[in-house]
Amino acid sequence: EVQLVESGGGLVQPGRSLKLSCVASGFTFSNYGMNWIRQAPGKGLEWVAYISSGSSYIYYAETVKGRFTISRDNAKNTLYLQMTSLRSEDTALYYCASQLGADWYFDFWGPGTMVTVSS
Amino acid sequence: VQMTQSPSYLAASPGESVSISCKASKSISNNLAWYQEKPGKANKLLIHSGSTLQSGTPSRFSGSGSGTDFTLTIRSLESEDFAVYYCQQYNEYPLTFGSGTKLEIK
Repeated sequence: EVQLVESGGGLVQPGRSLKLSCVASGFTFSNYGMNWIRQAPGKGLEWVAYISSGSSYIYYAETVKGRFTISRDNAKNTLYLQMTSLRSEDTALYYCASQLGADWYFDFWGPGTMVTVSS
Repeated sequence: VQMTQSPSYLAASPGESVSISCKASKSISNNLAWYQEKPGKANKLLIHSGSTLQSGTPSRFSGSGSGTDFTLTIRSLESEDFAVYYCQQYNEYPLTFGSGTKLEIK
């Protein structure tokens, strides 16, 4: 059974940093691309970042480019999102999601971890 | 690619059929997925490639369309289907979602 479990969220002041983690199980993590997606309170879904299986290809949404860094440790089956220069508009529930299929859709999602940026 | 989803809110009764529309601002071929969001549950992929049911998706769900216009149809609604539905294009980066449709019990 595929499981994705995010952690690392919390309350952080504007301008500070936070690092999210997502531990994967139930599939061969090192073979598949992974994503971060977020959802601001009461809002829709926003794709944030993608990383390929071997970290060769990385893409970001324009809203986070230059501030967020996606990475992975295949030996630990873990996906990361390093977030810096956080803004109030980064307040959201952050999900990790897998791409086990042949294309760029998200076949499994974690329950999410909440990030609140506020002074 | 902007994804325009409608309606944003839909009320229906169990047993009825409903349709949700998703329009892309430019052609995305059939590179469209549909997801279901329910409180306390992980988001679920229902359909990809415009019309291909993901393993485990009940057959009362169907997807259609290509190019710019897509539709998610749910036949014979069951109580477990009342949820929020999102479309997502994956034809190009950045990957983008529709704004969601909340399906409630009438």
